This record gives sequence, C-alpha cells and structure tokens, in this order.
Amino acid sequence: DAGVIQSPRHEVTEMGQEVTLRCKPISGHDYLFWYRQTMMRGLELLIYFNNNVPIDDSGMPEDRFSAKMPNASFSTLKIQPSEPRDSAVYFCASWPGRNQPQHFGDGTRLSIL
Amino acid sequence: AQSVTQLDSHVSVSEGTPVLLRCNYSSSYSPSLFWYVQHPNKGLQLLLKYTSAATLVKGINGFEAEFKKSETSFHLTKPSAHMSDAAEYFCVVSGLIYNQGGKLIFGQGTELSVKP
Repeated sequence: DAGVIQSPRHEVTEMGQEVTLRCKPISGHDYLFWYRQTMMRGLELLIYFNNNVPIDDSGMPEDRFSAKMPNASFSTLKIQPSEPRDSAVYFCASWPGRNQPQHFGDGTRLSIL
Repeated sequence: AQSVTQLDSHVSVSEGTPVLLRCNYSSSYSPSLFWYVQHPNKGLQLLLKYTSAATLVKGINGFEAEFKKSETSFHLTKPSAHMSDAAEYFCVVSGLIYNQGGKLIFGQGTELSVKP
C-alpha cells in the first residue's frame, strides 16, 4: 500500500499564475478530501468527493478554487488566478468509509509570491 | 453540532517523563474520535482511534487515550516521552451520520516539545 500520493511536494509561483495540485488516493477508498492548513486557521476542509462525485464544496474559499476527480485514482485542486493569501500546505486524504480513519498524503507546500 | 477543544497549544516535557495532551469534545451523538500526529513537513499520521468499543485505546509508539463520556474528554497519554515524539498532535472527531460523509472536525493542535 503506497498510501496517498500528492504532487508536487513544493510549489513556488508568482501571483496570478495557475496552480494545479494532484492527488492519488489509496485504491479502494471511496472518499477523497482536500484540506488546507495555515497557521492562522489550522486545518480546513475545502471539498470532498464520494465515488468521484463532489459532495460538499462549502469550504472552497472562492471561485478561484476548483477541484475535479475524473476517476477513482486521481484528483486535482486548481487555483486560478493564485494570490499570496493562498500560500498554505494543501493536504489530500482518502477514506474507506464507516469507522475507519482518513489517510493523509504528505501535502503540497504552496508559496505564492 | 460537533466541536473539539485542545486545552493546550503547547506542552513541553523532559525525555523520559509522562506526556498528557488534553482534548475535550462536543457531540450530540456517539462520535468516533482520533488522535493524529504531524511531524514537520509531513502529513497527518493516525496514532489511535476510538469507535465505541473499549474506552481505553492503545495506539502506536506507546500512546494511549481514554474515552470518558461523562467528562466528554479523550486525553492522550504516554508513560515516557522520547525525543522523536516532538511533533504536533491533533484531536479529531468524526460524526457517524452517513450524510456527514466522515467529515472530520480538527482541534487546533498541541505542539509537543521534548527536552533532553
């Protein structure tokens, strides 16, 4: 079991650029979550999917953020255009359901200059 | 509504002494509770989980936690701290209502420092 795989691990880009973060969940996990972690706000849930369908995107900050899950083994979180306040660590987690824990990737550290 | 409160933002102990990280939760139904650990530049790793079985839960690396419904607490303990335990610890609650989809509520985290 390779765990949840996120790429890139680090991303530094200039304000206004498009940023795409990628996630490969654990095979067989029906749920996928995107989180953002900052010093000020801690861990925030942005959006989650069940069987590739977005269920709750109420945590997405604004229209500049979008997420897709085209198949069971891949998801993207896109920010366009990016702003310095988007700088954070973005985590992806997958979940098999019921009383089991979520499994987290190592995150993408995003810096917007 | 559910919520989690970690009572200490920072705890410092000496190596070899006990660790106590405090967590109180609020839930209108039987929760699942978790402790996760986050080392620098890493994701969250599960330490242990409570899902309505035994109230004393043993986890990895010698950690354990006791679920006390009357006190709505789920404190994390370890008899003897090791330098490698220095990290941030998160207490987390998850609802068992299926339409919640396993949404997790995170505490604000407790940073554990271990002095030689």
